[in-house]
Amino acid sequence: DTEVTQTPKHLVMGMTNKKSLKCEQHMGHRAMYWYKQKAKKPPELMFVYSYEKLSINESVPSRFSPECPNSSLLNLHLHALQPEDSALYLCASSQDLGGTSGSFNEQFFGPGTRLTVL
Amino acid sequence: RKEVEQDPGPFNVPEGATVAFNCTYSNSASQSFFWYRQDCRKEPKLLMSVYSSGNEDGRFTAQLNRASQYISLLIRDSKLSDSATYLCVVTHTGGFKTIFGAGTRLFVKA
Repeated sequence: DTEVTQTPKHLVMGMTNKKSLKCEQHMGHRAMYWYKQKAKKPPELMFVYSYEKLSINESVPSRFSPECPNSSLLNLHLHALQPEDSALYLCASSQDLGGTSGSFNEQFFGPGTRLTVL
Repeated sequence: RKEVEQDPGPFNVPEGATVAFNCTYSNSASQSFFWYRQDCRKEPKLLMSVYSSGNEDGRFTAQLNRASQYISLLIRDSKLSDSATYLCVVTHTGGFKTIFGAGTRLFVKA
């Protein structure tokens, strides 16, 4: 199974709502990532979890709150978002990282959640 | 200057053509290198990892020159299905920080 799944596929929310994005992988990967992608731009790294611990927070506003309940699951909790936060949110996983190179760092992406903030 | 830079594109080529994409990176701490392709409104998909020895997968050949901090991707005998955006991706030593190039759009026409 080489699949990363994300739910929901689409989400429309108001600026006062609280919602969560979910990501799951069953490849035994120990690193998981959240990215944000705006139209016609490349993905931008938001957070990285390694062995269920937050390893990187790329100065993301606190209205985005990541959570890694276990090694297969990654959540992104959303609260008080702004219209400019509308984007495609991508989850990815990789086998390993942290000093290794090559195929251990290959990241596999889920299909993304397309978020619209009204 | 961006940390990972790619040819701006777009590239418009006929079927059967050979096309080359170039990518440069500025951080010498860069450790791992990849090419991804992304179709419109889809997620990026791994095309291939890039090694100093070079690697080939069918019609695709990737090269890495660490001294020049340069990565390339060659596509031979282009197919219509190769039309996509090609993204150069670099990770830093420690493996965590991942940076995407802006991408180069390829259109292959019949």
